[in-house]
Amino acid sequence: AQRVTQPEKLLSVFKGAPVELKCNYSYSGSPELFWYVQYSRQRLQLLLRHISRESIKGFTADLNKGETSFHLKKPFAQEEDSAMYYCALTLRTGTASKLTFGTGTRLQVTL
Amino acid sequence: GAVVSQHPSRVICKSGTSVKIECRSLDFQATTMFWYRQFPKQSLMLMATSNEGSKATYEQGVEKDKFLINHASLTLSTLTVTSAHPEDSSFYICSARVGVVYNSPLHFGNGTRLTVT
Repeated sequence: AQRVTQPEKLLSVFKGAPVELKCNYSYSGSPELFWYVQYSRQRLQLLLRHISRESIKGFTADLNKGETSFHLKKPFAQEEDSAMYYCALTLRTGTASKLTFGTGTRLQVTL
Repeated sequence: GAVVSQHPSRVICKSGTSVKIECRSLDFQATTMFWYRQFPKQSLMLMATSNEGSKATYEQGVEKDKFLINHASLTLSTLTVTSAHPEDSSFYICSARVGVVYNSPLHFGNGTRLTVT
């Protein structure tokens, strides 16, 4: 079965410091990985997906199949980055797919 | 952008009663919607996949008769918690996929906090 692991429940960094939110997955097939974010009092929303290979709000994430990781990184943290971040994996099974979430990491950016 | 509306946002009910939660896709059609449950400080757990015009697919350990799902139209899925008990108190979140491609991003509702007294 597929599994997504986010080892840190809370990550606290200073403003301007680099950020790395860890995500590891276990799945035997070809996974599609996503990062979702939930800001305070807002709904869960997509931050980025590995197939897009894009940078959103300064965040990037590279899929490392050898290490089965999809860590989220940002070189300089901003206060507005404080939120709950979820790594998620979807199965490549045609239209009958589903999204499995990690336990989430709360990022706290302090001055 | 795609918007998913979930109603109600909060509901309190007495033990033994049933509660219906609605999930609507406001500006797109969703053949597939997903229902998640989230316990405090825990991750979202997929309960079931709601398919328009057919039976929902439930995850292992989720009682079909307790959590009734109906997806009668391309813009509406409902989750009914039947004979609710205090242990059913939780945060329920629906999501919908824009398009039919398996890896299309999901759009989430705001969630419904259910409290069973």
